[in-house]
Amino acid sequence: GNSVTQMEGPVTLSEEAFLTINCTYTATGYPSLFWYVQYPGEGLQLLLKATKADDKGSNKGFEATYRKETTSFHLEKGSVQVSDSAVYFCALITNAGKSTFGDGTTLTVKP
Amino acid sequence: NAGVTQTPKFRILKIGQSMTLQCTQDMNHNYMYWYRQDPGMGLKLIYYSVGAGITDKGEVPNGYNVSRSTTEDFPLRLELAAPSQTSVYFCASSLLAGDLNEQFFGPGTRLTVL
Repeated sequence: GNSVTQMEGPVTLSEEAFLTINCTYTATGYPSLFWYVQYPGEGLQLLLKATKADDKGSNKGFEATYRKETTSFHLEKGSVQVSDSAVYFCALITNAGKSTFGDGTTLTVKP
Repeated sequence: NAGVTQTPKFRILKIGQSMTLQCTQDMNHNYMYWYRQDPGMGLKLIYYSVGAGITDKGEVPNGYNVSRSTTEDFPLRLELAAPSQTSVYFCASSLLAGDLNEQFFGPGTRLTVL
């Protein structure tokens, strides 16, 4: 079956530090890839997505590139803020609509 | 446009009781999903539906049932509640058409089984 493996957390960074959260996937065909963010006590919100190989998704300073050759979709941000503290989930959806999520990575940004 | 709504927000059940978690979306999305999220863990897919009258199992379907009689509604039924079903349940929907394939999530239902 399909799977998504995320870098284990928690991750603690100082404000303005560079962020990378690794995500690799296993799937048949050509899934779409997503990063979702979950703030405490809330549901998941879409952060960014990429629907085909070499696409780059970006939003709010975050970006990730769909790398089919390495089956990866790593999340990066050049300068994190305290308000970025949240849990980040990598996910895929196949063309048939079946979804798989990673276990999430908790990010804490300290002032 | 309310998006995806879930009821109830919280519920405590006794072992062996049954209940239905409600999910409704008003975006005319074809695809709907039920997930559970255990503390500190990711989302596990319980069931999903690609349209009215069609449902399919996800990773963790045991102990649950679903139906999809309309495009808008996708209720999740727990027949004999067990402590292992204590979790936060999220419903989501998606259009799944080309680039418009992201999932929109409801606020969740926190269920405790004692």
